Amino acid sequence: GAGVSQSPSNKVTEKGKDVELRCDPISGHTALYWYRQRLGQGLEFLIYFQGNSAPDKSGLPSDRFSAERTGESVSTLTIQRTQQEDSAVYLCASSLVAGPTFEQYFGPGTRLTVT
Amino acid sequence: KNEVEQSPQNLTAQEGEFITINCSYSVGISALHWLQQHPGGGIVSLFMLSSGKKKHGRLIATINIQEKHSSLHITASHPRDSAVYICALGSQGNLIFGKGTKLSVKP
Repeated sequence: GAGVSQSPSNKVTEKGKDVELRCDPISGHTALYWYRQRLGQGLEFLIYFQGNSAPDKSGLPSDRFSAERTGESVSTLTIQRTQQEDSAVYLCASSLVAGPTFEQYFGPGTRLTVT
Repeated sequence: KNEVEQSPQNLTAQEGEFITINCSYSVGISALHWLQQHPGGGIVSLFMLSSGKKKHGRLIATINIQEKHSSLHITASHPRDSAVYICALGSQGNLIFGKGTKLSVKP
């Protein structure tokens, strides 16, 4: 079946603009995660959704970052007033259920460049 | 101190060599994941361990919960194994990632 998909694959934006990144999880996966990977750095957790529960937003770096998820499907990560330090690859993953013992399936990522 | 430390940071090997990548952690976990990130950026889950040892093809992963240590072994390494290998801790809902080990296997 189809894996996790993300769009766009690349996004170049000017400092101060807002951007929206989209993630389509694997059908039937109730958990969805957003991560960030800056150049040469490890993965950083941003936010995760589990079903209809309140999302865990503990990894969002500032109030310029927000995310929504419609039911158990598509999620959008929004970055307002982008800064150069927001430049990174933003990765989405989904799993059957949120939890440490469930395998996460990763999308190809969106490479964001803020000029 | 980082909650998860990987070593080595970089590793170059000749084709056919046996490779070991180590992961040490300092917090209680429910499971430990090994991930592979290809040069193009895609990430694939290799193993999820909560105890003992798992094997898949030429890859073997072990974990010692008491010592808070895990190893990923690659037997008969091949240039196509060149990638970044990432250890990730699972304790609650999300994962805590190591910085990765960049492996280059030369023909």
